[in-house]
Amino acid sequence: GAVVSQHPSWVICKSGTSVKIECRSLDFQATTMFWYRQFPKQSLMLMATSNEGSKATYEQGVEKDKFLINHASLTLSTLTVTSAHPEDSSFYICSARDSRGNTEAFFGQGTRLTVV
Amino acid sequence: KQEVTQIPAALSVPEGENLVLNCSFTDSAIYNLQWFRQDPGKGLTSLLLIQSSQREQTSGRLNASLDKSSGRSTLYIAASQPGDSATYLCAVKDGNKLVFGAGTILRVKS
Repeated sequence: GAVVSQHPSWVICKSGTSVKIECRSLDFQATTMFWYRQFPKQSLMLMATSNEGSKATYEQGVEKDKFLINHASLTLSTLTVTSAHPEDSSFYICSARDSRGNTEAFFGQGTRLTVV
Repeated sequence: KQEVTQIPAALSVPEGENLVLNCSFTDSAIYNLQWFRQDPGKGLTSLLLIQSSQREQTSGRLNASLDKSSGRSTLYIAASQPGDSATYLCAVKDGNKLVFGAGTILRVKS
């Protein structure tokens, strides 16, 4: 299957700092990427839909100024957690679909964010 | 609003046993349903994708069925192995989004 690479796989940061997470589709182009958050022993919750060349669409309750999303190319989307706080500690996962119409979703390896 | 439920929440079986994981969804107007595997602290690996027009898909020891009208899907794992131990998630494509169940934690004992 297609490969989605997410970086970093884990990060520890101090409260008040910002953290950027990258999501790349390695062997296909993705006009749309998705960012999820997963709390321990819970399922994935969609945070936002990242659209190449336009603004991201955020789910209800997700602060767009807190979680900045940039999708500048067909193979890269970034999520920046701004002014991180301990409650932002979580597992963040990105997903992408091939722009050619394949409806299967492929996921990155996830990023474990710990804010201390 | 689409809701996805997975039963059981956890399952422990001896090696070699056949098993069934269940997934149900409230709105039958889905595009497709996908089963994933997640190992602890890792991302998701796609196992099987069933389009809304299909009844089942098979890959190796895995077989997934879809009954769209009743809002149900099952994942059948034959001859389970310790390496199958993981969390299994089902998700339905609802519009442009995937809606996930909470998952079934599977443990296969050797």
